[in-house]
Amino acid sequence: GDSVTQMEGPVTLSEEAFLTINCTYTATGYPSLFWYVQYPGEGLQLLLKATKADDKGSNKGFEATYRKETTSFHLEKGSVQVSDSAVYFCALLDTGRRALTFGSGTRLQVQP
Amino acid sequence: DTAVSQTPKYLVTQMGNDKSIKCEQNLGHDTMYWYKQDSKKFLKIMFSYNNKELIINETVPNRFSPKSPDKAHLNLHINSLELGDSAVYFCASSQTPGASASEQYFGPGTRLTVT
Repeated sequence: GDSVTQMEGPVTLSEEAFLTINCTYTATGYPSLFWYVQYPGEGLQLLLKATKADDKGSNKGFEATYRKETTSFHLEKGSVQVSDSAVYFCALLDTGRRALTFGSGTRLQVQP
Repeated sequence: DTAVSQTPKYLVTQMGNDKSIKCEQNLGHDTMYWYKQDSKKFLKIMFSYNNKELIINETVPNRFSPKSPDKAHLNLHINSLELGDSAVYFCASSQTPGASASEQYFGPGTRLTVT
């Protein structure tokens, strides 16, 4: 079945540091890949997505590239801010499936 | 102008009670979902409806019964609540089930606490 594996958190960084959150997946079809963000006390917001191999999703300074050869979709940001502190979820939507499969989430804490 | 709304936001109740959570979306989407987020933040699909028809029913106790009176609403009724039902329940909607570019929009969540 489909699955998503994320690096365990929390990830603690200083402001302006470089961020990488690793995400790998297994899927039977040709999935679309997503990163969602959950700020404290709020629901999930779509951060970025990629629908096919080699696509790069980007938003608010975050980027992730769909790598089929390594089945990965790592999230990166060049310079994090305190306001980026949140839980980040990697997710996939496989061909023919009708619901997202989520990773376990990675908590990011950015210190001033 | 809330896209996906849920009520209530917080729900505290005792074991054995029956409760309902309501969800409404004003995006014109034809598919709605219920996800459960446990205490470790893990999210898992429970149910999905497309045009009022149940299309996903994961391994969920039959104490949980979703109902979709129309495309814009998906409610979740839970009978005989148990301690293990304590979680945050998220409603979501999307335009087309399974479409590669379709994204899901989430509500703010309902935090259910069973004592």
